[in-house]
Amino acid sequence: NAGVTQTPKFQVLKTGQSMTLQCAQDMNHEYMSWYRQDPGMGLRLIHYSVGAGITDQGEVPNGYNVSRSTTEDFPLRLLSAAPSQTSVYFCASSYRDSRGANVLTFGAGSRLTVL
Amino acid sequence: GDSVTQMEGPVTLSEEAFLTINCTYTATGYPSLFWYVQYPGEGLQLLLKATKADDKGSNKGFEATYRKETTSFHLEKGSVQVSDSAVYFCALSDRSGNTGKLIFGQGTTLQVKP
Repeated sequence: NAGVTQTPKFQVLKTGQSMTLQCAQDMNHEYMSWYRQDPGMGLRLIHYSVGAGITDQGEVPNGYNVSRSTTEDFPLRLLSAAPSQTSVYFCASSYRDSRGANVLTFGAGSRLTVL
Repeated sequence: GDSVTQMEGPVTLSEEAFLTINCTYTATGYPSLFWYVQYPGEGLQLLLKATKADDKGSNKGFEATYRKETTSFHLEKGSVQVSDSAVYFCALSDRSGNTGKLIFGQGTTLQVKP
C-alpha cells in the first residue's frame, strides 16, 4: 500500500503564480485534510473533506481552494501565491476507529517556497 | 475553542535518560488524545492514542495517560535512544469523530545524545 502520496515534494513559485499540490490515498478513507506546518506553530488545518463532493474550511483557508471529486484525491490549489504561503504542506487521510477516534495517516509533505 | 499546549523545546537528553514531554488541552466534551512523531524530513506518524479518561496509550516504549482531572496527556519513556530524536506533537480530536480533524500543539523537539 502506498498510503498517502503527495506531489511535488519541493516547489518554488514566484509571487502571484498559481499551482496545485496533489494528494492521493489508496486506503478508501472517508476523511481527508490539508495542514500547513510553520516553525513554532505546529500544524494548522487549511481545508478538510468528510467525503467526495463535501469540503469545508479549517483554521487558515484564505488563499487556498480544494475540491473532492473522488474518494482518493484531494488537491490543494494556491490561487495567487504569496510569500506568507511559504511552508511545508501535509495531506492526511483518516478513518474513525472502533472507539470513535480519528486516526490520521500523513503524506511525506510538500515544501513550498514563494519568492 | 479547543486547543493543545505542549512544553517548549528543544529537549536535550543523554541516551538512556527518562523522558517526559508535557501536554495539556482545553476542549469541550470528551476528546480523543494523540501523540504523533515526525522524524527529520518525513511526515507525521501516529505514536499512540487514548480515547477516554484514564486510558493509557503505549507504543515503542512510550506511554501517555489520559488525565481528565488535570486535562493532561504527558508523554513518557523510561530510557530514550538516539533514534528517538524527532519532533513530537500532541493532538486532540472531538469525540464525534465526524470530521477527521485534529488540533495540534506546537511540537516539541527531542534531541538524544549518545
